[in-house]
Amino acid sequence: NAGVTQTPKFQVLKTGQSMTLQCAQDMNHEYMSWYRQDPGMGLRLIHYSVGAGITDQGEVPNGYNVSRSTTEDFPLRLLSAAPSQTSVYFCASRVAGGTDTQYFGPGTRLTVL
Amino acid sequence: QQQVKQSPQSLIVQKGGISIINCAYENTAFDYFPWYQQFPGKGPALLIAIRPDVSEKKEGRFTISFNKSAKQFSLHIMDSQPGDSATYFCAASNLGGSARQLTFGSGTQLTVLP
Repeated sequence: NAGVTQTPKFQVLKTGQSMTLQCAQDMNHEYMSWYRQDPGMGLRLIHYSVGAGITDQGEVPNGYNVSRSTTEDFPLRLLSAAPSQTSVYFCASRVAGGTDTQYFGPGTRLTVL
Repeated sequence: QQQVKQSPQSLIVQKGGISIINCAYENTAFDYFPWYQQFPGKGPALLIAIRPDVSEKKEGRFTISFNKSAKQFSLHIMDSQPGDSATYFCAASNLGGSARQLTFGSGTQLTVLP
């Protein structure tokens, strides 16, 4: 199993540009989520999904869109990038419910100029 | 509102020493407390976790101590090694339902000197 994969690994955008961060998992996990990691802020939840066709907002959803058309994929879209969105983005997945381990991808480092 | 407060922000320990990282939470509905370990350039990975029905859980050199009345929990790393140098995050969640969310602390950067 490849686990949770993310692309790209690095990205530089200009203010106002849009892009999609890709996330895929091959563990048949129902639950997938996106976090951003900023120095001194820990990991903050952006959006999450409990299954195909079901998404919901996390703690910091503004400026981001998600969709979940398949169990495997959970892309994160930046609609109009802003410097405040400079961060490291992590996708994660787990089996829904219980104390199941949440598995994280390797991250995408995004810089918005 | 930060629901899980973590300290210290950074920690330097000599090889063989004990590393201690502390977390405090506010939401009494939290009932699952994992610790994640993150190496540079990698995603976080689950290290150890505890439920509030026990006061301590040990896995190898890693121990979680839990104080429900004080709403605090801590990670102890015994015989710390240079390979333990990483960022550690505590987290908490309410186990109710499939949409349970993990709330993370701000992280502690641990450096173990050889």
